[in-house]
Order: sequence, then C-alpha cells, then structure tokens
Amino acid sequence: EVQLVESGGGLVQPGGSLRLSCAGSGFTFSDYWMSWVRQAPGKGLEWVANIMPDGSEKYYVDSVKGRFTISRDNAKNSLYLEMHILRAEDTAMYYCARDGRSWVYWGRGTLLTVSS
Amino acid sequence: EIVMTQSPATLSVSPGERATLSCRASLSVSSNLAWYQQKPGQAPRLLIYGASTRATGIPARFSGSGSGTEFTLTISSLQSEDFAVYYCQQYNNWPPLTFGGGTKVEIK
Repeated sequence: EVQLVESGGGLVQPGGSLRLSCAGSGFTFSDYWMSWVRQAPGKGLEWVANIMPDGSEKYYVDSVKGRFTISRDNAKNSLYLEMHILRAEDTAMYYCARDGRSWVYWGRGTLLTVSS
Repeated sequence: EIVMTQSPATLSVSPGERATLSCRASLSVSSNLAWYQQKPGQAPRLLIYGASTRATGIPARFSGSGSGTEFTLTISSLQSEDFAVYYCQQYNNWPPLTFGGGTKVEIK
C-alpha cells in the first residue's frame, strides 16, 4: 500500500525558515517524480514544486522561487521542502504527492502557519 | 501561465440528480486535464485524468469530457458521498501546474 506521511509543519514567524519532510513507503521511491501541493485555509489547491526521480531537475511556482528548495533522499525514501523567508501567504496545508504532473497518491498534509 | 476557470463556484443539487461542472483553460491544454474531489479535512482524490479516463476505483457515475480549452465533469446521479469540492488541473503547459478555483457541490 502506498503511503506518504508529511511532517515538520508548525508555527513560524514571518521571515523564518522551516523544513518539511515526507516519508514514502509501499512503492519504489526512486522511480517516481514527487511533488508538493499546498492549500491555504479555506482556499483552493496550489502546486508548489516537483522533482525528478534522481533529483536532477526541479521546478517551482514563481511565488516560491528563490525561497523554497525541494530535495529528496532516495536512500531514505524521503522528500523535503526547505522554506526560507516565510511570509503570511505561505500559511497552508502542505501535501506531499507521488508523481510529477497529476496525483493519485497524496499524504494527509502538514500545516504551516506563518504568523507573529 | 495557463489560468483555469471553473464554473459555477457553487452548485446546489438534490441527491439522485445530475451535476455538470465546467472548467475552462486560458490556452489549449489538449487532453492533459485532471479532476479531483476533495472533502473537508481530507486530501484531494483523483477522479479523472487525460480529460476522460477514470482513475482506478472511481465509480462509473463520474465522467469527464472535453479537450482544448473546454472541459466538463458530469456526475450522473449524485450520491450523498459526492457532496464535496471539485477541482480541475492542467498538466499540459508547465511549470506551473495550475488548478481551477473549485466548484462546491452542495445539497439542495
């Protein structure tokens, strides 16, 4: 059974940093693109970033370029999202999802709140 | 960036009735379009990909159609578990991958 479990969310002050993690199981992690998708409270879905299976290519939505970095450790079956210079508008549930362009498998999400 | 526009924002339907949801792309996305269902407190669930192919385990009452810039998700006979928010998403021209703003299907 495919499972994706996010962790690392919490309350951060504006301008702060945080790293989200996603642990994958039930599939060969190193074979798949992986993605982060977020959802602000009461709002719609927004794709954030994705990464190729070997980590060689990464893509981002413009609003996070230069502030967020997606990475992976295939030996640990883990996906990461390093976030810096956080803003109030980054407040959202962050979902990890398997595959690069559309997503069957999603985690349950981890909540990031950016507030002073 | 391809902008996805969904209509209506809210659709009030009685159980057993048919629901028709629309999604429009600002540029052609060919058939590279997906539909998701999301219930409160849950992650989205993929319903349709390739504009018209049901994902594994999705009931036949869900159907997708369209290509280019105009797409439709039809729920032929609404069940109680179908009341949710539905999103379309294009994956033809990216980055960025983009979603529509969603249609909430509520009980009439």
